[in-house]
Amino acid sequence: ETGVTQTPRHLVMGMTNKKSLKCEQHLGHNAMYWYKQSAKKPLELMFVYNFKEQTENNSVPSRFSPECPNSSHLFLHLHTLQPEDSALYLCASSQDPPSGGGRSTDTQYFGPGTRLTVL
Amino acid sequence: SQQGEEDPQALSIQEGENATMNCSYKTSINNLQWYRQNSGRGLVHLILIRSNEREKHSGRLRVTLDTSKKSSSLLITASRAADTASYFCAIQGAQKLVFGQGTRLTINP
Repeated sequence: ETGVTQTPRHLVMGMTNKKSLKCEQHLGHNAMYWYKQSAKKPLELMFVYNFKEQTENNSVPSRFSPECPNSSHLFLHLHTLQPEDSALYLCASSQDPPSGGGRSTDTQYFGPGTRLTVL
Repeated sequence: SQQGEEDPQALSIQEGENATMNCSYKTSINNLQWYRQNSGRGLVHLILIRSNEREKHSGRLRVTLDTSKKSSSLLITASRAADTASYFCAIQGAQKLVFGQGTRLTINP
């Protein structure tokens, strides 16, 4: 166990559904991340939250909506997805200095992922 | 691009043999990290090597870093069936950690 949990582990949804992915970290970290992993593609960073503030949004379509209510929890709200959004969605956390601060080791701890299938 | 590129993309060896994977990159780095991913699971951090370090060991793992060649290698000695997984290098530069596409390692019994 890495100290990062994700639910659900598997999700099948239609293109008109609305669902949410949940991530929780028990490591006391201050930064959390959403990644998308598709077959035969590098891991794609989607969003970064540092001290609950979103610090990066890598041109992710608006049908993906992140929410970070506190440093331990991260959600990814999904609506009107497309079949090409089917992928493994990974959450990670790390202990970083505040945005704009000095260097960090940025070792990331990953959850087990949510396997999403969009029909 | 800051992304690391792993080589080979796939590697299949017999149990007990050593496995070597390479990572090349193009930008300056603060550190380089290696992660392992079992099929359909999350990534697990293996080892971090800083830009001023040349070699690090952790159990059966040995990582080298050559900043002049902008390359790193991960050596797994005395491989086991449980080492079957994908291995990723990740580059820590001025921006956030950027992952490569990975090497798929298969250990045959």
